Amino acid sequence: AQKVTQAQTEISVVEKEDVTLDCVYETRDTTYYLFWYKQPPSGELVFLIRRNSFDEQNEISGRYSWNFQKSTSSFNFTITASQVVDSAVYFCALSESSTSYDKVIFGPGTSLSVIP
Amino acid sequence: DTGVSQDPRHKITKRGQNVTFRCDPISEHNRLYWYRQTLGQGPEFLTYFQNEAQLEKSRLLSDRFSAERPKGSFSTLEIQRTEQGDSAMYLCARDPAPTEAFFGQGTRLTVV
Repeated sequence: AQKVTQAQTEISVVEKEDVTLDCVYETRDTTYYLFWYKQPPSGELVFLIRRNSFDEQNEISGRYSWNFQKSTSSFNFTITASQVVDSAVYFCALSESSTSYDKVIFGPGTSLSVIP
Repeated sequence: DTGVSQDPRHKITKRGQNVTFRCDPISEHNRLYWYRQTLGQGPEFLTYFQNEAQLEKSRLLSDRFSAERPKGSFSTLEIQRTEQGDSAMYLCARDPAPTEAFFGQGTRLTVV
């Protein structure tokens, strides 16, 4: 069965600090997809990244970076030099389907507060 | 702007009443999804449509729930005889490509 664990329920950091959000997943499939979404207070889910199980290269996009390690079943997300606008709930998600979103399992989310 | 509009944004209803939510994707994408998100949890899949066809329904979707997508464009989600446990955010998403989904801002339902 699929499962996504985000052990950090809430994190508070001071602006400009770096912060890492942890994500650990469970799946029996060798082909799967991992996602991160951001949910600001306004409520909409904002897609951040999708990574397939065969691509273990780390990715950097501006202040965001992702570390995918199959050996530890982790897909961690780091925000460098955090800003107040980064305050949101962040969800890690897993899908064993490459063609639709009906099999996406979301983690419980990590609420990030960036204090000015 | 994710190209998904949901209406209403908020709905307060008395237990036992019926409610209907609407989702309008910006264009007629093949796939449209409904998710439910309760407080402090991640979204959970409810159902999805490919064009007009409802292809899969979660076990979360009890007999009191029904979803339609009559012309393959907008979709409605109706909950009959609402219960307090139905209080949640109901999210709609469009899937223009297999690589990502765009979610609307959701309809927050409160059953009192």
